[in-house]
This record gives sequence, structure tokens and C-alpha cells, in this order.
Amino acid sequence: EAQVTQNPRYLITVTGKKLTVTCSQNMNHEYMSWYRQDPGLGLRQIYYSMNVEVTDKGDVPEGYKVSRKEKRNFPLILESPSPNQTSLYFCASRTTNSNSPLHFGNGTRLTVT
Amino acid sequence: TQLLEQSPQFLSIQEGENLTVYCNSSSVFSSLQWYRQEPGEGPVLLVTVVTGGEVKKLKRLTFQFGDARKDSSLHITAAQPGDTGLYLCAGAKGSNYKLTFGKGTLLTVNP
Repeated sequence: EAQVTQNPRYLITVTGKKLTVTCSQNMNHEYMSWYRQDPGLGLRQIYYSMNVEVTDKGDVPEGYKVSRKEKRNFPLILESPSPNQTSLYFCASRTTNSNSPLHFGNGTRLTVT
Repeated sequence: TQLLEQSPQFLSIQEGENLTVYCNSSSVFSSLQWYRQEPGEGPVLLVTVVTGGEVKKLKRLTFQFGDARKDSSLHITAAQPGDTGLYLCAGAKGSNYKLTFGKGTLLTVNP
């Protein structure tokens, strides 16, 4: 089954404790992206990657890192999480055609206390 | 600045009613997509429109892309409780990889 898999689904952590949210897709998509979704603010792009070893900042990259060492994986790293990073995070992938659908994972709900 | 404005933000209707939600912008998009998101899940693509004036139908859902490719609408006929969800529009510009999302319309259809 074609899918984007994020882990974990839920994560509660404390300020400053480094964490990684994993994302993997099995559709051989070149393009992958991370979004955060907050009430009243909608979906905002954090980082995206057009292919292996190619990453770029989205609209809200501060406090986040990503890497794209393999085509299928695109982990999101929070080196020193802060409470304002409490949010619902989505990973998504698609082909290089900008009209093609974005396939989303089921989300990771992160709480930073 | 929000490039894509969706309205209304919230909509609560009774089963069987018709409704229209809107996605407006001052920018021109090469294509526009509509997604539906249900609680606990990621958004799922409903349709992509690419030609100005294009109308696409998906069962009881009718999507329209404005002639100037700056706006779009989603009309649902005889809404059902299963239509409940967050409807998001997203626009793409040319070969730019960035997809800009609106804030969404949260639809509740009461039985």
C-alpha cells in the first residue's frame, strides 16, 4: 500500500530535550515536505526537499532541522524543543510535478512542556 | 500575508442542505487543489484544477477554478454527515515546488 509513515503519533517531551520525528514514504517520490498545523494558522511549511541531499527552508524553519540522505526518509529534528513548537506535524510527499497530489502521513502530535 | 483566503472559516449545516465554500487570492496560480482532512488523519486530495474556468465534479461535489485562476469554489449538494471535515485549498505557481495552503473551512453536517 502506497503510504507516508510518521513516527511517533504522539510525543510529550520537555524543553531542551532533542527529538526526531521520522518520516518514510514507499512511493519513490522525489519531493518531501514537513508542515505544522496550528489552530487559526492552518498548515505552514517548515522544510522541504526536492531530492536526496537537497533541502530548503519553508515558511517557518526556525528551531528545526531536516536531512535527506535517502530518497524514502525525511526526518525532522528538533535540537532544543521549546513550548512554542507544540503542534501537529505532518510529513508529505509527491512527484516533481507540482500538480500531483501531496500524500500526507497521519501526523505527529507533539507537546513540549 | 495569507495568500489564499478561505471562507467561511466554520460552517454547520443540516443533512440534505447545499453549501459552497470559497478560496480567494489576489495572486494567479497555475493550479489549485482541494483537500479534505478528517480528525486524526492527514489531508487527502479531492481534486486538482488547472485551467481557468474549469469545472470538475466528484459525485455531489463540484469544484470550479476562476477564469483568472485567482479563486476557486467547492459546492456540495445534499450534504451528508460523512462530508464533515476540514476542507483545504492549496495553490501552486508554475514549476515552483511550493504549495500554499489556505487556513481551511471546518464543515459539520448534522444528521
